[in-house]
Amino acid sequence: DGGITQSPKYLFRKEGQNVTLSCEQNLNHDAMYWYRQDPGQGLRLIYYSQIVNDFQKGDIAEGYSVSREKKESFPLTVTSAQKNPTAFYLCASSISGALWNTEAFFGQGTRLTVV
Amino acid sequence: AQSVTQLDSHVSVSEGTPVLLRCNYSSSYSPSLFWYVQHPNKGLQLLLKYTSAATLVKGINGFEAEFKKSETSFHLTKPSAHMSDAAEYFCVVSDRRGATNKLIFGTGTLLAVQP
Repeated sequence: DGGITQSPKYLFRKEGQNVTLSCEQNLNHDAMYWYRQDPGQGLRLIYYSQIVNDFQKGDIAEGYSVSREKKESFPLTVTSAQKNPTAFYLCASSISGALWNTEAFFGQGTRLTVV
Repeated sequence: AQSVTQLDSHVSVSEGTPVLLRCNYSSSYSPSLFWYVQHPNKGLQLLLKYTSAATLVKGINGFEAEFKKSETSFHLTKPSAHMSDAAEYFCVVSDRRGATNKLIFGTGTLLAVQP
């Protein structure tokens, strides 16, 4: 089945550590996105990528980094500079980042907790 | 700039009664609008989308939404609620600024269905 796979489902991190969240898609989509979800705030865009080897900052990129070396993969690193990293992280993809009327498909999310 | 406002953070209905989840949008362009559903600790699933074709849009699981330009609204409805409809619902507008399609999320409406 085609889809988006995020791993792990739950992740615990000690303060001061970097951690990387995995996102893989087999939908052959060009565009990929990372969102952060906090209670009562909806989803906020962290980073997005329209094509391989290109990515752009979203609304809340500080303390995060990404790479897009392969079309299928868009990992997110939460660095120690992110002051409040505990949240639910969602990865998404769409067929093209340039088409304004296309929907995004979402993974099942990773819940990150800083301990 | 594009934005969406979900007018109710919580809605509670009885099983078998109608559902109404309200959404108002703001857009400088003819918008693309979406409704997504999220069950606890899961990713988001597309319910339906409006992309300037028919103003009454039918989606999955018996949901539908009507685009009303004069009222800048895109309310989600269902004639008869089922227990499995209990979830969080997000109204989303596509941001057409720039070269990249970005989705702007409302803050969500949590739907409770009472037996």
